[in-house]
Amino acid sequence: EAQVTQNPRYLITVTGKKLTVTCSQNMNHEYMSWYRQDPGLGLRQIYYSMNVEVTDKGDVPEGYKVSRKEKRNFPLILESPSPNQTSLYFCASSGWSGQTDTQYFGPGTRLTVL
Amino acid sequence: GNSVTQMEGPVTLSEEAFLTINCTYTATGYPSLFWYVQYPGEGLQLLLKATKADDKGSNKGFEATYRKETTSFHLEKGSVQVSDSAVYFCALSEFGNEKLTFGTGTRLTIIP
Repeated sequence: EAQVTQNPRYLITVTGKKLTVTCSQNMNHEYMSWYRQDPGLGLRQIYYSMNVEVTDKGDVPEGYKVSRKEKRNFPLILESPSPNQTSLYFCASSGWSGQTDTQYFGPGTRLTVL
Repeated sequence: GNSVTQMEGPVTLSEEAFLTINCTYTATGYPSLFWYVQYPGEGLQLLLKATKADDKGSNKGFEATYRKETTSFHLEKGSVQVSDSAVYFCALSEFGNEKLTFGTGTRLTIIP
């Protein structure tokens, strides 16, 4: 089954404690990205990756890092989480054919930073 | 920059009612337009899309027509069901750029 998986689904942590949210897709997609969803703001892109070892900032990258060492994985790293990073996070992936393709979303990770 | 404005919610309708959720956009280029749906506790799923002017996207009884002259992509359904209760997001992406720009979402609740 074609899917995007994220782990963990729920996470409660404290300010300053480094964490990683994993994302994996089994569709051999080139493009992967991370979004955060906040009430009244919709979804906003944090980082994206066009392919292995190619990453770039989205609209709200501050406080986040990513890496793309393998095509299937795109982890989101919060080196020193703060309460304003409490949010619902989604990973997404799509094929890349030079034109817009359908993006597939993971089930989401709800993060609470105390 | 690009932006998407969609109808504020929440919207509550009775079963079998007609649904319209308005969506307008601003884009520097010639975008593709999407409606995504988020059911409770789940990620977003593509509902329908349109890639050029006057295209009509349709799926599961929902329709939306790409109107370049009014920069709109309104979502419609003739007869809603309880199972349509969800949050609906309008979104766009520019040609050659996979990034999606989302509206704020509209929560739809259908009561029996």
